[in-house]
Amino acid sequence: AQKITQTQPGMFVQEKEAVTLDCTYDTSDPSYGLFWYKQPSSGEMIFLIYQGSYDQQNATEGRYSLNFQKARKSANLVISASQLGDSAMYFCAMREGFGYSTLTFGKGTMLLVSP
Amino acid sequence: EAQVTQNPRYLITVTGKKLTVTCSQNMNHEYMSWYRQDPGLGLRQIYYSMNVEVTDKGDVPEGYKVSRKEKRNFPLILESPSPNQTSLYFCASSSPGTKEEKLFFGSGTQLSVL
Repeated sequence: AQKITQTQPGMFVQEKEAVTLDCTYDTSDPSYGLFWYKQPSSGEMIFLIYQGSYDQQNATEGRYSLNFQKARKSANLVISASQLGDSAMYFCAMREGFGYSTLTFGKGTMLLVSP
Repeated sequence: EAQVTQNPRYLITVTGKKLTVTCSQNMNHEYMSWYRQDPGLGLRQIYYSMNVEVTDKGDVPEGYKVSRKEKRNFPLILESPSPNQTSLYFCASSSPGTKEEKLFFGSGTQLSVL
């Protein structure tokens, strides 16, 4: 079974609108971390946001927020007020346990923001 | 500036010709790792290292070698490259035990094996 599932291969959104990118995960470890990375067309991997399994509140970083629903094992990324520069591939990833930095990645969602 | 440096950025080679992709980090990170990215498959881990002289296989280690003789360097070696190793490769590093254990990525190496 896949540990990280991103069911949306591609998403379209208009500029200034909000968009949600879905991510579900599968782990039996009570200690884990969830990450979102952005990959623009230039190819680099840009860290966006992190949510720890024990964090009480949903993580937020500027226009990015993580809708963390632990019981449903989902960690959706919400981008508010989309900008043209948000067009990129987005990856959800999970680290299981601590002191062991390996991330397991989903297959990614391509987001296109139109004017 | 804190960074992970990979070289080269682009590489075209022929089947069977040994090559090395270098990776260096200046953040004194204990953990380093190599991933490959293929369309529709996301990133998959090749090898990782928890510290100097400590390396272990990831999910797709076949056809690759690594070494960790110094803390800052973690080269990826393809002894006899084949066309199915054409991919985008990323080196990454982290400091285990920090709150996020966030991975810092290099800029990537696009490898084509003809």
